Amino acid sequence: AQSVTQLGSHVSVSEGALVLLRCNYSSSVPPYLFWYVQYPNQGLQLLLKYTTGATLVKGINGFEAEFKKSETSFHLTKPSAHMSDAAEYFCAVSRSGTYKYIFGTGTRLKVLA
Amino acid sequence: KAGVTQTPRYLIKTRGQQVTLSCSPISGHRSVSWYQQTPGQGLQFLFEYFSETQRNKGNFPGRFSGRQFSNSRSEMNVSTLELGDSALYLCASSPIEGAGNTIYFGEGSWLTVV
Repeated sequence: AQSVTQLGSHVSVSEGALVLLRCNYSSSVPPYLFWYVQYPNQGLQLLLKYTTGATLVKGINGFEAEFKKSETSFHLTKPSAHMSDAAEYFCAVSRSGTYKYIFGTGTRLKVLA
Repeated sequence: KAGVTQTPRYLIKTRGQQVTLSCSPISGHRSVSWYQQTPGQGLQFLFEYFSETQRNKGNFPGRFSGRQFSNSRSEMNVSTLELGDSALYLCASSPIEGAGNTIYFGEGSWLTVV
């Protein structure tokens, strides 16, 4: 069975500081991994995804994530936080043979001025 | 290209009533999936449709049902509403079915059951 764990339901960083949002997954087969962002009163927007190939994935708005199979992790990072990054972030996993995505419980990012 | 459109955006229903939510996928997308989002349970998969066929269903009671039409538009229905059904219902579409494909979300339908 697949599952996704996001450590930290709330994360606060200062503007300009490193953003690190953690995601660990469990999957019996190589997964496909995603990060989505949700702004207030909106749907989810794809930040980046890993399917195959390069393990360091670059996404929109300066975010990137690295797939580490040995650690079953797919942490999201951004070198310098901006006020506009304040939102809720969801890690998700899917795998070949299924049609559903399993989402983590989300991490709400707060950016302090 | 228009995004995923969900209607209505907001609605209030009384316990015991039923509700129908509509989703128009991005043009050309044939796969539509539905998710329920609540503060306590997060995002939970409801069901996924491709070419009018339900491909997968989440762990929800039979009160939750859906369908997809030949133009790929989808509806979900919840009968005999309960207070716990209050949630944001999100529809997502993708060009083809299968894991690994990006799914594109609509802005959701906010359902409040009183």
